[in-house]
Amino acid sequence: EGQLVESGGGLVQPGGSLRLSCAASGFTVSSNYMSWVRQAPGKGLECVSVLYSIGSTYYADSVKGRFTISRDNSKNTVYLQMDSLRSEDTAMYYCARATFYAGFPYFDYWGQGSLVTVSS
Amino acid sequence: SSELTQDPAVSVALGQTVRITCQGDSLRSYYANWYQQKPGQAPILLIYGKNNRPSGIPDRFSGSSSGNTPSLTITGAQAEDEADYYCNSRDSTGFVVFGGGTKLTVL
Repeated sequence: EGQLVESGGGLVQPGGSLRLSCAASGFTVSSNYMSWVRQAPGKGLECVSVLYSIGSTYYADSVKGRFTISRDNSKNTVYLQMDSLRSEDTAMYYCARATFYAGFPYFDYWGQGSLVTVSS
Repeated sequence: SSELTQDPAVSVALGQTVRITCQGDSLRSYYANWYQQKPGQAPILLIYGKNNRPSGIPDRFSGSSSGNTPSLTITGAQAEDEADYYCNSRDSTGFVVFGGGTKLTVL
């Protein structure tokens, strides 16, 4: 049974930076499709970044050029570096693993979430 | 805004059947997955692919599709099924996208 544990959230001023961590157990992040999904207060889910097992990365337009997803295989951990933060980035950030069915991903493991608040 | 559209709110009487739908142009080509989220909790996977349930998900939850409109059906809704439900698929660029969510009230 896989497990994901996020950390690194907190309060940051607009324009600031924060790095979220997602420690995995029960499976290897380097062999899997990993993602960060966020949820603004009272809003729906938004996938902001994806990291494929081969190393390809993808970003939602809303964070492109400001966020960077990466992984440390030795620590079995995925990261989300968030720079130039804006108030609209305020959200709960979930780390999630995807498995594929008929070539299409579905998110089977989710972390408990890490809250990021961008405010002065 | 999401490229997948869901009704914002749906209600169902206890023990009755309810269907939650998801609409979007990309659904002509891709499956929809379904997730349940209760207040203060992370989402959990309910249905993936055509109609596959992960272990531990009650069989009152099922997925189907009519034309290009996938739906989640809860047969015999229970009080504990009151939650937000999200579909997800790919958008026109192939990126993962979620529907706006449906808030289910069990009366």
